[in-house]
Amino acid sequence: AQKVTQAQTEISVVEKEDVTLDCVYETRDTTYYLFWYKQPPSGELVFLIRRNSFDEQNEISGRYSWNFQKSTSSFNFTITASQVVDSAVYFCALSEKGFGNEKLTFGTGTRLTIIP
Amino acid sequence: EPEVTQTPSHQVTQMGQEVILRCVPISNHLYFYWYRQILGQKVEFLVSFYNNEISEKSEIFDDQFSVERPDGSNFTLKIRSTKLEDSAMYFCASRQGANLYGYTFGSGTRLTVV
Repeated sequence: AQKVTQAQTEISVVEKEDVTLDCVYETRDTTYYLFWYKQPPSGELVFLIRRNSFDEQNEISGRYSWNFQKSTSSFNFTITASQVVDSAVYFCALSEKGFGNEKLTFGTGTRLTIIP
Repeated sequence: EPEVTQTPSHQVTQMGQEVILRCVPISNHLYFYWYRQILGQKVEFLVSFYNNEISEKSEIFDDQFSVERPDGSNFTLKIRSTKLEDSAMYFCASRQGANLYGYTFGSGTRLTVV
């Protein structure tokens, strides 16, 4: 069974600091997909990134970067030069390659607070 | 940017009443989902739907729940007799096809059972 662990329940940093959100996953499949979603106080789920298991290249998008390491089953998310608008709950999620019903298994989320 | 649209954004219902949550997935998407998030907790899978039938459902999705795609555009979740513990945010999601591209969530319906 697939599982996602986000050990950091809450993180607070001062604005402009860098912050890394950890995500560790478990799966028996060799083909799987990893996601990060942002949930701001308004409640919606905002897609940030999708990564498949065969693509271990790290990705950078503006102030956001992701480090995917299959050897440690981790998919960590770093925000550089954090801003108050980054305050939200961040969820990591995993989906195994199935036969059309690829559900997402979410971690418990990390609540990030950026202090002005 | 295509969106998944959910209505209503907030619904209050009395315990024991039936409620229908509505979703309009992205038009060229083929796979549809409902997820639930109890306040302060993680997002949990309820059900997936493809080719006009349920492809997988979780333990949460018991006989009180049903889904339908009545007209080729809407995708609904019905709870027949609501309980207090059904109070949660319900998210609809859809995706296009292979490789999980475009796995997009709606903005959610907050259901409050009183």
